[in-house]
Amino acid sequence: ETGVTQSPTHLIKTRGQQVTLRCSSQSGHNTVSWYQQALGQGPQFIFQYYREEENGRGNFPPRFSGLQFPNYSSELNVNALELDDSALYLCASSLLNRAGELFFGEGSRLTVL
Amino acid sequence: AQKVTQAQTEISVVEKEDVTLDCVYETRDTTYYLFWYKQPPSGELVFLIRRNSFDEQNEISGRYSWNFQKSTSSFNFTITASQVVDSAVYFCALLEYGNKLVFGAGTILRVKS
Repeated sequence: ETGVTQSPTHLIKTRGQQVTLRCSSQSGHNTVSWYQQALGQGPQFIFQYYREEENGRGNFPPRFSGLQFPNYSSELNVNALELDDSALYLCASSLLNRAGELFFGEGSRLTVL
Repeated sequence: AQKVTQAQTEISVVEKEDVTLDCVYETRDTTYYLFWYKQPPSGELVFLIRRNSFDEQNEISGRYSWNFQKSTSSFNFTITASQVVDSAVYFCALLEYGNKLVFGAGTILRVKS
């Protein structure tokens, strides 16, 4: 059984740039969620996708957007990067009927300079 | 709004000691789900337990046990005979409408040999 994998693991961007983070879901999972974790804090929900549609969104501006593909893999796109976007971005897959039981990847560490 | 409070920022124990991590939550929902996750230094969060608000029975899994008390809105986690491998950040979380997990700030557990 393949777990959740994320890429890239680390990246550095400058203010105003755009970034795309990628995630492959665990085999058999149909739902993917993205969380932002700032240093020393708990993860914060960005959004969730199910059947390629957004299925819930947290308190993040529209410059955070996502996609889910037919094979359940996913992308997180962030436009017009700000310094406060520096964080660990965590992708998690799950089954829709087991809400909250998330299987996380190791995350993508984004640094915005 | 839902809220999860983990008042203990950091706990240090010596191996084989028992340790309890506290979690207090706030919700207006009558049905809700509570969770604990472990985040080792590698970064990926690991699901430990999901508890339905209707089930107040304590749960034990090996050295781990959970005490859910609706009367005090608490869902505490105890590790018996702690081991160095238990060193991690532990998060308590509450499932909010929209498939969003609301995490506490986390408790850093350091187990020394």
